[in-house]
Amino acid sequence: GAGVSQSPSNKVTEKGKDVELRCDPISGHTALYWYRQSLGQGLEFLIYFQGNSAPDKSGLPSDRFSAERTGGSVSTLTIQRTQQEDSAVYLCASSLTSGHGSSYNEQFFGPGTRLTVL
Amino acid sequence: AQRVTQPEKLLSVFKGAPVELKCNYSYSGSPELFWYVQYSRQRLQLLLRHISRESIKGFTADLNKGETSFHLKKPFAQEEDSAMYYCALERGNTPLVFGKGTRLSVIA
Repeated sequence: GAGVSQSPSNKVTEKGKDVELRCDPISGHTALYWYRQSLGQGLEFLIYFQGNSAPDKSGLPSDRFSAERTGGSVSTLTIQRTQQEDSAVYLCASSLTSGHGSSYNEQFFGPGTRLTVL
Repeated sequence: AQRVTQPEKLLSVFKGAPVELKCNYSYSGSPELFWYVQYSRQRLQLLLRHISRESIKGFTADLNKGETSFHLKKPFAQEEDSAMYYCALERGNTPLVFGKGTRLSVIA
C-alpha cells in the first residue's frame, strides 16, 4: 500500500462510550505501534506488536485500553468507557522489523485519528 | 529509566539564523537516537538517525555520549523548516521513547 492508514480520521464520542480505532500497516511490516499524541505530553507509547510475539502493553494507561492485531496485519485499538482525558490524536506506526541497530526499524506513521470525548 | 528531554517547547528563529534544537537522553546502554519531524498537516516522519551520520535538509545531529545529548542543528534556518520536532531513543528491541517535542517557528 501507499503507507500506513488509519480510520476514522476523526471521532467524536460521548463520555462513557466505547470506541474502536483501526490501523492498516504497510504490507510486510512485522512491527506495529500505537502512540497517543496530546498537547504538552508529546508522543506517548501505548502498545507494540512484533510478529507473533506477545504484545508489549507496558504503555497502556489503564485497563480500559486494549489492542488486537489480527493475522499479523490490521490492528484495532479499543478504548472502553471513554473519559475526557482520553481526547488526543492516536497514531499508529509500522516498521519492517525492529531491533537495535537495524536499518529496517524506521517507523512509518499513519495520519492519526483525532478522538474527542465530550 | 529511559528518558528523552527536549527542554524547549517552542523555538523561534529568524530566517537565515542558525538553529539548534536540544535533546538530552538518559539511558544506561548503547543508545540509538533519531529525530522525527511533523510538518503542518503532514505525517510524522523520520528526519535523521545518528548511525547514518548524514545531513538531511541541511540538518545534522551529533551524538555526544559524554553529555548524553543529540542536538539537532542547521546553520541557516528556512521558513519551510517550521515544524514540530521530536527526539527519540531506541532501547534494544523495544519501541521508541520520544521527547515531548519542540515546535520550531522560522520567522521571515
